[in-house]
Amino acid sequence: SQTIHQWPATLVQPVGSPLSLECTVEGTSNPNLYWYRQAAGRGLQLLFYSVGIGQISSEVPQNLSASRPQDRQFILSSKKLLLSDSGFYLCAWSVQGGAEAFFGQGTRLTVV
Amino acid sequence: RKEVEQDPGPFNVPEGATVAFNCTYSNSASQSFFWYRQDCRKEPKLLMSVYSSGNEDGRFTAQLNRASQYISLLIRDSKLSDSATYLCVVKDPGRRALTFGSGTRLQVQP
Repeated sequence: SQTIHQWPATLVQPVGSPLSLECTVEGTSNPNLYWYRQAAGRGLQLLFYSVGIGQISSEVPQNLSASRPQDRQFILSSKKLLLSDSGFYLCAWSVQGGAEAFFGQGTRLTVV
Repeated sequence: RKEVEQDPGPFNVPEGATVAFNCTYSNSASQSFFWYRQDCRKEPKLLMSVYSSGNEDGRFTAQLNRASQYISLLIRDSKLSDSATYLCVVKDPGRRALTFGSGTRLQVQP
């Protein structure tokens, strides 16, 4: 069966510090991968998606970047965090051509 | 206009009640529809897909009205464990990712 791992679960970082969140998927190959952010009391906002290694599409301009160095690995990064980067970050995967997405446990980021 | 709109609630209902949530979507070409459930401070989890003919999974019934661009979720015999936020989700052609509504919060009370 397929599983998705995302870490860390919580993170407190000072303004201006770098960020690296990692997500890996097991039990499938060539998945579509996604990074979403959910602000407190708000809906999910798509940040990035990837259909293959090295292929990243950005949905909104921002202080973040994403990379996919391996088929089942998706990384969200920032060189310098802003207070507004605080939120609940969720990695998700879906099969190519599929519709349903399955989420990792999420990372709750607080920038202080 | 938001792409997917939901009443944020909260809906406070007693155990055993029947409750219905509605959702509207803006793109008439949307192809796939889902309800996800999100517990407090947890990730969203797929509850059920929504088919044109309507579909049922135990106490949960989902319906789609393409003409009105409207999706509904009915929960019968509510349990305390049904308390969560229910997200209406749509997949549009030409878009790789799902579009999520902001969610409707349900609180089932003893």
